[in-house]
Amino acid sequence: DAKTTQPNSMESNEEEPVHLPCNHSTISGTDYIHWYRQLPSQGPEYVIHGLTSNVNNRMASLAIAEDRKSSTLILHRATLRDAAVYYCILRAYSSASKIIFGSGTRLSIRP
Amino acid sequence: KAGVTQTPRYLIKTRGQQVTLSCSPISGHRSVSWYQQTPGQGLQFLFEYFSETQRNKGNFPGRFSGRQFSNSRSEMNVSTLELGDSALYLCASSGGAGSYEQYFGPGTRLTVT
Repeated sequence: DAKTTQPNSMESNEEEPVHLPCNHSTISGTDYIHWYRQLPSQGPEYVIHGLTSNVNNRMASLAIAEDRKSSTLILHRATLRDAAVYYCILRAYSSASKIIFGSGTRLSIRP
Repeated sequence: KAGVTQTPRYLIKTRGQQVTLSCSPISGHRSVSWYQQTPGQGLQFLFEYFSETQRNKGNFPGRFSGRQFSNSRSEMNVSTLELGDSALYLCASSGGAGSYEQYFGPGTRLTVT
């Protein structure tokens, strides 16, 4: 299974944009890039996913490098509720794919 | 739409006992996955079921087993409990294969004494 590398922790100020990086140099052509986050005392929550093109949804944007070996999750305006552990995950498009969670990035938001 | 539900939410068992955890996926979802979360190992994949068939399995001993019923509800069983099995067990459901997002339940907190 392809692996991802993320910084252990990041800090940001409230109401400012946050860029969370992820490296996945061994990504294969059929791997989708997924982002999940886990708020304290809750199960993980889906944030966004993409294959090749940049993606936007109500929660965040996903910027994918042209060679697909890295990606960045962008929170446009961080709030205190965005403090969580963010996981970057690769999932193969197949009938038998499992999620391999890395250690994630613990994001802290300063008021 | 109701989210993923897991029962019970909290459980205390003794070493050597067995335990069964239950998961009800989001209506219409046919895929259910199970994960174990501990402070030391983080989130680890246990197994995935789709249409009552196990289609993927993580690196856990045979004491960990699961099944899925025709209504997509799933159970996981852990036999001969060990202290190291104390963890948060999370269930996630999705509509299909790898391109689909997974929706997680709140988890069952298992404590083995």
